[in-house]
Order: sequence, then C-alpha cells, then structure tokens
Amino acid sequence: EVQLVESGGGLVKPGGSLRLSCAASGFTFSSYSMNWVRQAPGKGLEWVSSISSSSSYIYYADSVKGRFTISRDNAKNSLYLQMNSLRAEDTAVYYCARGGSFPFDYWGQGTLVTVSS
Amino acid sequence: DIQMTQSPSAMSASVGDRVTITCRASQGISNYLAWFQQKPGKVPKRLIYAASSLQSGVPSRFSGSGSGTEFTLTISSLQPEDFATYYCLQHNSYPFTFGPGTKVDIK
Repeated sequence: EVQLVESGGGLVKPGGSLRLSCAASGFTFSSYSMNWVRQAPGKGLEWVSSISSSSSYIYYADSVKGRFTISRDNAKNSLYLQMNSLRAEDTAVYYCARGGSFPFDYWGQGTLVTVSS
Repeated sequence: DIQMTQSPSAMSASVGDRVTITCRASQGISNYLAWFQQKPGKVPKRLIYAASSLQSGVPSRFSGSGSGTEFTLTISSLQPEDFATYYCLQHNSYPFTFGPGTKVDIK
C-alpha cells in the first residue's frame, strides 16, 4: 500500500525557517518524481515544487523561488522541503504527492504550516 | 505559464442531476490534465487522469473528456457523497497549475 506521511509543520514567526519531510512507503520511491502542493486556509490548491527521481530536475512556483528548496534522499525514501524567509502568505497545509507519468495519484495527509508573530 | 480556468466557480445541484464542469487552459496541454475531488478537511482525491482515464476505484458516473485547451468533467447522476469542490490540474509543463475550483453544493 502506497503511503506518504508528512511531518515538520508548525507555528513559525515571519522570516523564520521550517523543514518539512515526507516519508514514502509501498512503492519504489527512487523511480518516481515527487511534488509539494499547498492549500491556504479556505483557498484552492497551489503547486509548489517538483523534483525528478534522481534530483536532476527541480522546479518551483514563482511564489517560493529563492526561498524554498526541495530535496530527496532515495536511500531513506524521503522527500523534503526547506522553507526559509517564511511569510504570512505561506500559511497553508502542505501536501506531498507522488509524481510519475500520471502524477498526483497518491497524496499525504498534509502538514499545517502557520506563519504568524 | 499556463493559466487554468474553471466554470462554473460554484453550482447548486440536486441528487440525480447530470453535472458538467469545464476547465480551459490558456494554451494547448494535449491530454496532460487531471481532475480532483476535495471534501472539507480532506485530502484531494484524483478522479480522472490523462483527461479521460478513470482512476481505479472511482465510480463510473464520473467521466472526463477533452484535449488541447478545453476539458470537461461530467458526473452522470449526482450522489450525496459527490458534494465537494472539484479541481483540474495541468501537468503538461512547469509550473504545474491548478484551476481555481468548482464547488458543488446541494440545491
């Protein structure tokens, strides 16, 4: 059974940093690209970042470029999102989702990030 | 960047109604489009991939069609559990973009 479990969310002050993790199981993690998607309270879904299976290709939304860094450790079946210079508008539930030819078939349960003083 | 629009943004419907939601891309995306259902406080669930392929386990009353720039999600006979918000997503090119969503509620 495919499982994606996010962790690392919490309350952080504006300008602060947070590192999200996504632990994957039930599939060959190293064969799939992976994604981060976020959803601000009461708002729609926003794609944040993607990373290819071998980390060769990385993409970011303009809204996070230069502040967020996606990475993965295939030996640990884990995906990460390092978030720096956080702003109030980064407050959201962050989901990791599996990639591949037909991506976003599996999602984690999400982790809430709140940026507030 | 490819912009995605959805219509309507919200609708009221009754159980048994046929519901059609439209998603338009600002440029051609072939069939690199997926549809998701999200209920309040829940994780998005993929219904359709590759524009018209039904996700395993999803009821056959859901169907998708289209290619290029115009796509539709159809629910042939709306059921009580279908009241939710629906999103389209293009993954033809980065940045991937979601549509703004269509909220389907009870008339």
